[in-house]
Amino acid sequence: DTAVSQTPKYLVTQMGNDKSIKCEQNLGHDTMYWYKQDSKKFLKIMFSYNNKELIINETVPNRFSPKSPDKAHLNLHINSLELGDSAVYFCASSQGGGHQSLHFGNGTRLTVT
Amino acid sequence: AQSVTQLGSHVSVSEGALVLLRCNYSSSVPPYLFWYVQYPNQGLQLLLKYTSAATLVKGINGFEAEFKKSETSFHLTKPSAHMSDAAEYFCAVASNTGKLIFGQGTTLQVKP
Repeated sequence: DTAVSQTPKYLVTQMGNDKSIKCEQNLGHDTMYWYKQDSKKFLKIMFSYNNKELIINETVPNRFSPKSPDKAHLNLHINSLELGDSAVYFCASSQGGGHQSLHFGNGTRLTVT
Repeated sequence: AQSVTQLGSHVSVSEGALVLLRCNYSSSVPPYLFWYVQYPNQGLQLLLKYTSAATLVKGINGFEAEFKKSETSFHLTKPSAHMSDAAEYFCAVASNTGKLIFGQGTTLQVKP
């Protein structure tokens, strides 16, 4: 009964490939996020969706495309992977955006070789 | 624009000693401030949150933080460190555009 679950946990792939990361939350929250944590553990928001609508889109290469089929799911598709995409990607959810506390998944460690 | 700065990327304490992790914020509006903890190979977990109701905020696992507007600080403390407290700690501020902006993190090491 994990609250925010991401798959896969680990993803190793070669440059140029396309990959997807899936996220699901069973908390009934209306807002979901993708964060990227780099090798220095710095966390930065990438995207945020509220009720399937994109509300935050940071300066992220358009090779990254989020998709929210419903408010319980937010997937991240990455085209033409580059070495610099190697990081840990965290999905999170909250009830409402802005000042609300986030519930995080356990992360997907992406390694691009 | 909002930002947070965590002073000290690495803090080491002995078991049973006081834990003090420092966070200073910058915000043009009354801030919403958070402390999160990240254990190895896990996601972040909320420790506590300041929402202007009270300046001293108590969180889980015996942690607390005090909001000091005059010092623009929101330092995290725990009277007595336990080995299980060893983790990465992040201070964060909610921006007025709905984003959570994180500090660079502080690694807490607890020595036996």
